[in-house]
Amino acid sequence: RKEVEQDPGPFNVPEGATVAFNCTYSNSASQSFFWYRQDCRKEPKLLMSVYSSGNEDGRFTAQLNRASQYISLLIRDSKLSDSATYLCVVNSFYNQGGKLIFGQGTELSVKP
Amino acid sequence: GAVVSQHPSWVICKSGTSVKIECRSLDFQATTMFWYRQFPKQSLMLMATSNEGSKATYEQGVEKDKFLINHASLTLSTLTVTSAHPEDSSFYICSASGREASYEQYFGPGTRLTVT
Repeated sequence: RKEVEQDPGPFNVPEGATVAFNCTYSNSASQSFFWYRQDCRKEPKLLMSVYSSGNEDGRFTAQLNRASQYISLLIRDSKLSDSATYLCVVNSFYNQGGKLIFGQGTELSVKP
Repeated sequence: GAVVSQHPSWVICKSGTSVKIECRSLDFQATTMFWYRQFPKQSLMLMATSNEGSKATYEQGVEKDKFLINHASLTLSTLTVTSAHPEDSSFYICSASGREASYEQYFGPGTRLTVT
Protein backbone atom coordinates (compact mmCIF):
# COMPACT_ATOMS: atom_id res chain seq x y z
CA ARG A 1 0.00 0.00 0.00
CA LYS A 2 1.31 3.45 -0.90
CA GLU A 3 2.01 5.79 1.99
CA VAL A 4 -0.01 8.59 0.41
CA GLU A 5 -2.84 7.85 -2.00
CA GLN A 6 -4.85 10.28 -4.04
CA ASP A 7 -7.88 10.22 -6.28
CA PRO A 8 -6.95 9.00 -9.72
CA GLY A 9 -7.30 11.70 -12.33
CA PRO A 10 -7.61 13.50 -14.54
CA PHE A 11 -10.40 15.81 -13.46
CA ASN A 12 -11.84 17.79 -16.36
CA VAL A 13 -14.08 20.63 -15.19
CA PRO A 14 -15.54 23.80 -16.70
CA GLU A 15 -14.49 27.23 -15.52
CA GLY A 16 -16.35 28.25 -12.40
CA ALA A 17 -16.86 24.70 -11.17
CA THR A 18 -16.08 23.49 -7.69
CA VAL A 19 -13.75 20.52 -7.52
CA ALA A 20 -12.63 18.40 -4.58
CA PHE A 21 -9.54 16.26 -4.23
CA ASN A 22 -9.16 13.52 -1.65
CA CYS A 23 -6.09 11.97 -0.13
CA THR A 24 -5.40 9.29 2.47
CA TYR A 25 -2.18 8.52 4.28
CA SER A 26 -1.08 5.35 6.02
CA ASN A 27 1.38 6.56 8.66
CA SER A 28 -0.56 7.62 11.74
CA ALA A 29 2.62 9.29 13.07
CA SER A 30 2.54 11.88 10.28
CA GLN A 31 2.68 15.33 11.78
CA SER A 32 2.28 17.87 9.02
CA PHE A 33 0.34 17.95 5.81
CA PHE A 34 0.44 19.99 2.65
CA TRP A 35 -1.01 20.46 -0.78
CA TYR A 36 1.43 21.26 -3.55
CA ARG A 37 0.77 22.27 -7.10
CA GLN A 38 2.94 21.07 -9.97
CA ASP A 39 2.75 22.45 -13.48
CA CYS A 40 3.93 20.35 -16.39
CA ARG A 41 7.71 19.91 -16.39
CA LYS A 42 8.13 22.21 -13.41
CA GLU A 43 9.01 21.79 -9.77
CA PRO A 44 6.24 21.44 -7.16
CA LYS A 45 5.18 24.62 -5.41
CA LEU A 46 3.59 24.79 -1.99
CA LEU A 47 -0.09 25.66 -2.29
CA MET A 48 -1.03 25.48 1.36
CA SER A 49 -0.44 23.70 4.61
CA VAL A 50 -3.31 21.71 6.08
CA TYR A 51 -4.38 22.04 9.70
CA SER A 52 -6.73 19.96 11.82
CA SER A 53 -9.08 22.91 12.23
CA GLY A 54 -9.30 23.31 8.47
CA ASN A 55 -7.98 26.32 6.67
CA GLU A 56 -8.92 28.50 3.77
CA ASP A 57 -6.91 30.60 1.37
CA GLY A 58 -9.10 32.47 -1.04
CA ARG A 59 -10.82 29.91 -3.27
CA PHE A 60 -8.93 27.02 -1.71
CA THR A 61 -10.05 25.14 1.40
CA ALA A 62 -8.10 22.31 2.98
CA GLN A 63 -9.36 19.86 5.59
CA LEU A 64 -7.62 17.24 7.70
CA ASN A 65 -9.20 14.36 9.56
CA ARG A 66 -6.54 12.69 11.66
CA ALA A 67 -8.83 9.93 12.88
CA SER A 68 -9.57 8.85 9.31
CA GLN A 69 -6.11 9.82 8.05
CA TYR A 70 -7.79 11.78 5.32
CA ILE A 71 -6.95 15.11 3.69
CA SER A 72 -9.00 17.09 1.22
CA LEU A 73 -8.66 20.14 -0.99
CA LEU A 74 -11.62 22.07 -2.32
CA ILE A 75 -11.24 24.57 -5.14
CA ARG A 76 -14.17 26.90 -5.72
CA ASP A 77 -14.83 28.96 -8.83
CA SER A 78 -12.17 27.17 -10.86
CA LYS A 79 -9.99 29.26 -13.16
CA LEU A 80 -8.17 28.18 -16.29
CA SER A 81 -4.94 28.91 -14.42
CA ASP A 82 -5.83 26.27 -11.83
CA SER A 83 -5.02 23.57 -14.40
CA ALA A 84 -2.13 21.61 -12.91
CA THR A 85 -1.36 18.46 -10.96
CA TYR A 86 -2.17 18.68 -7.26
CA LEU A 87 0.05 16.73 -4.91
CA CYS A 88 -0.91 15.63 -1.43
CA VAL A 89 2.15 15.59 0.82
CA VAL A 90 2.73 14.39 4.37
CA ASN A 91 5.67 14.80 6.69
CA SER A 92 6.57 12.91 9.83
CA PHE A 93 7.93 16.07 11.42
CA TYR A 94 6.09 19.14 12.64
CA ASN A 95 7.36 21.37 9.86
CA GLN A 96 8.91 20.69 6.51
CA GLY A 97 12.32 19.97 7.95
CA GLY A 98 11.79 16.24 7.66
CA LYS A 99 11.01 13.74 4.96
CA LEU A 100 8.19 14.64 2.61
CA ILE A 101 6.12 11.82 1.18
CA PHE A 102 4.31 12.75 -2.02
CA GLY A 103 1.12 11.27 -3.38
CA GLN A 104 1.03 10.43 -7.06
CA GLY A 105 -0.89 13.58 -7.82
CA THR A 106 -4.26 14.34 -9.34
CA GLU A 107 -4.35 16.17 -12.63
CA LEU A 108 -6.86 18.98 -12.99
CA SER A 109 -7.83 20.45 -16.33
CA VAL A 110 -10.12 23.48 -16.27
CA LYS A 111 -11.80 24.15 -19.62
CA PRO A 112 -13.37 27.41 -20.82
CA GLY B 1 11.20 33.94 -0.49
CA ALA B 2 14.11 31.54 -0.51
CA VAL B 3 15.48 30.63 -3.92
CA VAL B 4 17.02 27.36 -5.01
CA SER B 5 18.66 26.93 -8.39
CA GLN B 6 19.66 23.82 -10.29
CA HIS B 7 22.11 23.39 -13.09
CA PRO B 8 21.80 22.21 -15.76
CA SER B 9 18.08 22.48 -16.42
CA TRP B 10 18.30 19.68 -18.93
CA VAL B 11 21.02 17.34 -20.13
CA ILE B 12 21.35 14.61 -22.70
CA CYS B 13 24.16 12.12 -22.28
CA LYS B 14 25.27 8.82 -23.69
CA SER B 15 24.88 5.56 -21.86
CA GLY B 16 27.88 4.82 -19.64
CA THR B 17 28.86 8.41 -18.99
CA SER B 18 28.48 10.34 -15.73
CA VAL B 19 26.42 13.46 -15.20
CA LYS B 20 26.71 15.98 -12.38
CA ILE B 21 23.75 18.08 -11.27
CA GLU B 22 24.21 21.08 -9.00
CA CYS B 23 21.73 22.42 -6.48
CA ARG B 24 22.34 25.82 -4.91
CA SER B 25 20.53 27.81 -2.25
CA LEU B 26 20.95 31.40 -3.40
CA ASP B 27 19.87 33.46 -0.43
CA PHE B 28 19.97 31.19 2.60
CA GLN B 29 22.16 28.57 4.17
CA ALA B 30 20.81 25.12 3.46
CA THR B 31 21.68 22.82 6.31
CA THR B 32 19.74 20.02 4.65
CA MET B 33 19.25 19.24 1.00
CA PHE B 34 17.01 16.60 -0.50
CA TRP B 35 17.21 14.91 -3.88
CA TYR B 36 14.08 13.60 -5.57
CA ARG B 37 13.42 11.77 -8.81
CA GLN B 38 10.19 11.87 -10.77
CA PHE B 39 9.32 9.59 -13.67
CA PRO B 40 6.56 10.61 -16.11
CA LYS B 41 3.07 10.47 -14.60
CA GLN B 42 4.51 9.37 -11.28
CA SER B 43 5.08 10.98 -7.92
CA LEU B 44 8.26 12.56 -6.62
CA MET B 45 10.33 9.92 -4.88
CA LEU B 46 12.91 10.92 -2.33
CA MET B 47 16.32 9.51 -3.23
CA ALA B 48 18.48 10.85 -0.43
CA THR B 49 18.86 13.44 2.27
CA SER B 50 22.12 15.24 2.86
CA ASN B 51 23.28 17.45 5.68
CA GLU B 52 26.19 19.80 5.17
CA GLY B 53 29.47 18.10 5.95
CA SER B 54 27.92 14.67 6.45
CA LYS B 55 27.39 11.63 4.30
CA ALA B 56 24.04 11.46 2.58
CA THR B 57 21.31 9.16 3.83
CA TYR B 58 19.87 7.15 0.97
CA GLU B 59 16.35 5.80 0.71
CA GLN B 60 15.80 2.09 0.38
CA GLY B 61 16.45 0.88 -3.13
CA VAL B 62 18.64 3.82 -4.16
CA GLU B 63 22.20 2.78 -5.01
CA LYS B 64 24.59 5.08 -3.20
CA ASP B 65 27.50 4.09 -5.44
CA LYS B 66 25.52 5.03 -8.52
CA PHE B 67 24.04 8.28 -7.24
CA LEU B 68 26.86 10.16 -5.56
CA ILE B 69 25.81 13.07 -3.39
CA ASN B 70 28.12 15.71 -2.05
CA HIS B 71 27.02 18.52 0.27
CA ALA B 72 30.32 20.26 0.88
CA SER B 73 28.99 23.72 1.70
CA LEU B 74 25.87 25.33 3.10
CA THR B 75 24.84 26.55 -0.34
CA LEU B 76 25.76 23.72 -2.67
CA SER B 77 24.92 20.07 -3.08
CA THR B 78 25.74 17.94 -6.10
CA LEU B 79 24.24 14.73 -7.42
CA THR B 80 26.38 12.69 -9.79
CA VAL B 81 24.71 9.94 -11.78
CA THR B 82 27.53 7.53 -12.57
CA SER B 83 27.55 5.17 -15.53
CA ALA B 84 24.17 6.43 -16.61
CA HIS B 85 21.72 4.10 -18.35
CA PRO B 86 18.53 4.89 -20.26
CA GLU B 87 16.44 3.83 -17.25
CA ASP B 88 18.06 6.68 -15.29
CA SER B 89 16.33 9.15 -17.59
CA SER B 90 14.10 11.15 -15.30
CA PHE B 91 13.33 14.54 -13.77
CA TYR B 92 15.68 15.16 -10.85
CA ILE B 93 14.62 17.81 -8.34
CA CYS B 94 16.45 19.08 -5.30
CA SER B 95 15.05 20.93 -2.33
CA ALA B 96 16.79 22.78 0.45
CA SER B 97 15.89 23.74 3.98
CA GLY B 98 17.60 25.65 6.73
CA ARG B 99 17.02 27.76 9.81
CA GLU B 100 17.13 30.99 7.83
CA ALA B 101 14.34 29.66 5.64
CA SER B 102 12.20 28.58 8.60
CA TYR B 103 13.03 24.98 7.74
CA GLU B 104 10.54 25.01 4.88
CA GLN B 105 11.70 22.96 1.90
CA TYR B 106 12.27 25.10 -1.17
CA PHE B 107 12.45 23.27 -4.44
CA GLY B 108 14.81 23.85 -7.31
CA PRO B 109 13.43 24.01 -10.86
CA GLY B 110 14.55 20.48 -11.64
CA THR B 111 16.92 18.88 -14.13
CA ARG B 112 15.62 16.74 -16.94
CA LEU B 113 18.10 13.95 -17.72
CA THR B 114 17.87 11.93 -20.90
CA VAL B 115 20.29 9.05 -21.37
CA THR B 116 20.58 7.77 -24.93
